Amino acid sequence: AQKITQTQPGMFVQEKEAVTLDCTYDTSDPSYGLFWYKQPSSGEMIFLIYQGSYDQQNATEGRYSLNFQKARKSANLVISASQLGDSAMYFCAMRDNSGAGSYQLTFGKGTKLSVIP
Amino acid sequence: DVKVTQSSRYLVKRTGEKVFLECVQDMDHENMFWYRQDPGLGLRLIYFSYDVKMKEKGDIPEGYSVSREKKERFSLILESASTNQTSMYLCASHRGGGYGYTFGSGTRLTVV
Repeated sequence: AQKITQTQPGMFVQEKEAVTLDCTYDTSDPSYGLFWYKQPSSGEMIFLIYQGSYDQQNATEGRYSLNFQKARKSANLVISASQLGDSAMYFCAMRDNSGAGSYQLTFGKGTKLSVIP
Repeated sequence: DVKVTQSSRYLVKRTGEKVFLECVQDMDHENMFWYRQDPGLGLRLIYFSYDVKMKEKGDIPEGYSVSREKKERFSLILESASTNQTSMYLCASHRGGGYGYTFGSGTRLTVV
């Protein structure tokens, strides 16, 4: 069974500073994908970044980067130069890439990030 | 951009009512999903579908059913609503193969 763990229920960061949101996962499948989503107070889920288990390099998207440590089963999200608009819930999710009907995402419980001016 | 539309943003229903939550996507995606989101629990998968008329149970299917008669539409049905089904419900769509899950804006359901 897949499992995603986000150990930080809440985080605070000063504006313009970098912040790391932790995510560990557990799977026995060799092929999987890892996602990070942002959910502002409006409720919409915004896709941020994706990392495939066979990707050689860490994924980056603008101010977002994913610190992928496969041996440790860790997929931390790093947000550089935090902005007030980054205040939101952040969810780590995993997809098992093997087998039919396997595109379901399993989510962690989320981390609430608050950016302080 | 893919758009996933959920028919209602807020819904209030009475205990025992049959409730339909509708989700429509406009990009011909094969895969569609229903999640519920509760504070401290994250998103939990209720049902998903990878083709018309196909459905698979997720982690918490009890008390729910789904219908997918057309590729673009995936309906979640609460056969007899109960207060413990008060939650935020999120629909998502995915093209398969690659990545790119798109979520609707959610339906906040209150059962009284």
